Amino acid sequence: EIVMTQSPATLSVSPGERATLSCRAGQSVGSSLAWYQQKPGQPPRLLIYGASTRATGIPARFSGSGSGTEFTLTISSLQSEDFAVYYCQQYNSWPPLTFGGGTKVEIK
Amino acid sequence: DVHLVESGGGLVQPGGSLRLSCSASGFIFNNYVMQWVRQPPGKGLEYVSAISGNGGTKYYPDSVKGRFTLSRDNSKNTMYLEMSGLRTEDTAVYYCVRGGSSGWYVPFDYWGQGALVTVSS
Repeated sequence: EIVMTQSPATLSVSPGERATLSCRAGQSVGSSLAWYQQKPGQPPRLLIYGASTRATGIPARFSGSGSGTEFTLTISSLQSEDFAVYYCQQYNSWPPLTFGGGTKVEIK
Repeated sequence: DVHLVESGGGLVQPGGSLRLSCSASGFIFNNYVMQWVRQPPGKGLEYVSAISGNGGTKYYPDSVKGRFTLSRDNSKNTMYLEMSGLRTEDTAVYYCVRGGSSGWYVPFDYWGQGALVTVSS
């Protein structure tokens, strides 16, 4: 099983600022890395797949980068609706497909 | 539009049983892997089970193996998760998730709204 580690656990950011979230895989997952956003009371929503491709309808302020074991999700200018929990997931190795523990982006 | 609707959640005592259903629409159900992902209150996401399009291949992590049974009825566009020997640590929101049409190695593009399972005496 590939262990996914996200950092930091909590990120305090002011609206309009840039947020950078990290995800590390225990072994290489190539570019098979997805990012999800989850708001309270809602299911996760796919933001990024293939490490850097935005899913349908996702704003351009969200961008993903990285390959192998190190990945980054960047939100260029935080909007009020972006305060949420973000999870990374590898889908290179099955079973199982594994998630990171999440990063909560909160208002500073 | 793709829709996934879970049902069957509720309160059950430790050691009890429960069956979750996931009704799907908006896509050719038997072409897709289907999965369950759960989320304990205030915690992260755990991949709980998966089933191939024809039902011939299934996966369970050690945490539920021998207690949970996954099945699907492609004529009804529905997936089922039979849970027995429930433990307090099984308390979670259970999400029905669509997998890939060409295999297991895809991100999760569609999720249901979730069904809450509470295991408590």
